[in-house]
Amino acid sequence: KAGVTQTPRYLIKTRGQQVTLSCSPISGHRSVSWYQQTPGQGLQFLFEYFSETQRNKGNFPGRFSGRQFSNSRSEMNVSTLELGDSALYLCASSLGTLINSPLHFGNGTRLTVT
Amino acid sequence: GQQLNQSPQSMFIQEGEDVSMNCTSSSIFNTWLWYKQDPGEGPVLLIALYKAGELTSNGRLTAQFGITRKDSFLNISASIPSDVGIYFCAGQRTGNQFYFGTGTSLTVIP
Repeated sequence: KAGVTQTPRYLIKTRGQQVTLSCSPISGHRSVSWYQQTPGQGLQFLFEYFSETQRNKGNFPGRFSGRQFSNSRSEMNVSTLELGDSALYLCASSLGTLINSPLHFGNGTRLTVT
Repeated sequence: GQQLNQSPQSMFIQEGEDVSMNCTSSSIFNTWLWYKQDPGEGPVLLIALYKAGELTSNGRLTAQFGITRKDSFLNISASIPSDVGIYFCAGQRTGNQFYFGTGTSLTVIP
């Protein structure tokens, strides 16, 4: 069974640009969550999508947005990039049920903003 | 977002030694998870715990779901060099929201 796939693995952007990251969940998983990981802040929750609807949202500005498609694949977009957005962005999928449904992570997209 | 209290923050041990780390929270969780992250990779699920008091093993790894539902422990026996990495705990309450510990960095000295 294929794991969670994130593309691209690495991105370098300049301030003010926008970026789109992609995530393909494990087959059969309907929930996709996005996390930002930085050395100082650890794993910070961005948002979760389930059946094409945003179900949960973290405390990030509106520049961070996402969507989920009917095949459960998800994209995350960051507009007007800032230097502080440099981080490892992790996608995680799960069955999405309320219990017995652990997160399975992809290898992330390393975003560097210069 | 909320983070769990994970300790120790880092550990330096000799190969063959046993390792213990724990995670605590002021809130009750329904599920406890333990992950390992290698440099440049995403976290990999090691053990999932679903019931208070549950003790689960995965090879040399053993984890326990605290009976108060506010803590969890991970033990690694007879450590080897490939155990090096960062270990994270995660707790799940209601809904599909997960809260993560700040991580324990493990270094194994051959």
